This record gives sequence, C-alpha cells and structure tokens, in this order.
Amino acid sequence: AQSVTQLDSQVPVFEEAPVELRCNYSSSVSVYLFWYVQYPNQGLQLLLKYLSGSTLVKGINGFEAEFNKSQTSFHLRKPSVHISDTAEYFCARSTFGNEKLTFGTGTRLTIIP
Amino acid sequence: DTAVSQTPKYLVTQMGNDKSIKCEQNLGHDTMYWYKQDSKKFLKIMFSYNNKELIINETVPNRFSPKSPDKAHLNLHINSLELGDSAVYFCASSQYTGNTIYFGEGSWLTVV
Repeated sequence: AQSVTQLDSQVPVFEEAPVELRCNYSSSVSVYLFWYVQYPNQGLQLLLKYLSGSTLVKGINGFEAEFNKSQTSFHLRKPSVHISDTAEYFCARSTFGNEKLTFGTGTRLTIIP
Repeated sequence: DTAVSQTPKYLVTQMGNDKSIKCEQNLGHDTMYWYKQDSKKFLKIMFSYNNKELIINETVPNRFSPKSPDKAHLNLHINSLELGDSAVYFCASSQYTGNTIYFGEGSWLTVV
C-alpha cells in the first residue's frame, strides 16, 4: 500500500535557525512527491514538488527538498526560518496514472522568537 | 482570481440536517477531488471525478453524494449529518491524473 511517513509531529525551531522536516515514502516505479503547507485556519498551498529530473527541488518561501531514491526520503529544508513559517506541513505522494494523493500525518512547525 | 473556490467556508448545522458544499475551478482541469481533513489534521481522499465521471470512491458512507454538472464543478451533498462528519472538506483539481493537485481554501463543517 502507498504510504507517507512524517517522523516528527511537532518541530520547534528558533527564528533564523535552519530547519529540516522529514518525510519518507513507500517506494514505487514512478513516484511523484509534494510538500504542502497549511497556515492556521487556511487551505493547503503547494510548496514544491518532485515529478522527475533534478533531485534537488526549490519551492516558494525559500524552501527546498531533496529526493533521495535509495533512502526513499523527501526531506524539506529551509536555511533560516521566520515567524511567518509557523504552519502545518504535509508531505504527499502519488504515482503516474493514480488519481489518489496520499498524505503524511503532518508536521507542525513552530517558530520561537 | 481564486483557482479553486468552494463555498461556504464555514458551516454550522444540526445533526440530521442535509447540507451542500459547492466547488468550482477555473484552471481548465479535467480532474476534481474531495478530501476530508479530520480533527487530527489527517487528510484523506473521498472522491475523484474525471470529466464528470466518478473514478474514486473511498468507502465513503452513502450519505455523501458528489455531483459534477460539468468538469469545472464538483459539489458535495451530505444527508442526515452526524457529529462525526465535523471536519474540514477540501475541494481540489488537477490537469490530469497523477499530476499536481491544487486545493481550495477548505470548508469548515461543524455538526452540533
């Protein structure tokens, strides 16, 4: 079965410090990977995606993620976080021809001033 | 211009009532979805439509009935609402299957 594991349910980080949010996925021949962000009481916004090609993917708001096939990981990183990055972050996967997007359980990122 | 828009954003209703949530996308996408986010923030697909045809129904109770009058609209009707239906319902769309899915702002449903 397709699955996505986000190992940390909550991550507190000091402002301007770097952050990494971890995501592991169940392997497949052709897998698409996504990170979405949900700000408090708002909808889901696409941060970045990996469909194919370069394993380092850059997204909005200074975030990036690296597709690692051997470790089946797609960790999200930001070198310096801001208060405005406080949100819930969801990793998700799908496969070619499969309409279903499978989500991880989310990681709540809290920025400490 | 909102790409995927859904109404209402907030809905409070009593148990046993029937309610609908409407969704429209102006992205020209062929595929639309309904996802449910529970109180623990877990997101799970409910339905998927491609060109007005149902292609995914994830063991959702019969009280939930999606309707797609055209490929730009996917409405969700819920009969006999129960307390457990309280959740955030997200509409979404994609250009074709397996590609990037864009979400609406969500509809916060509270059943009392």
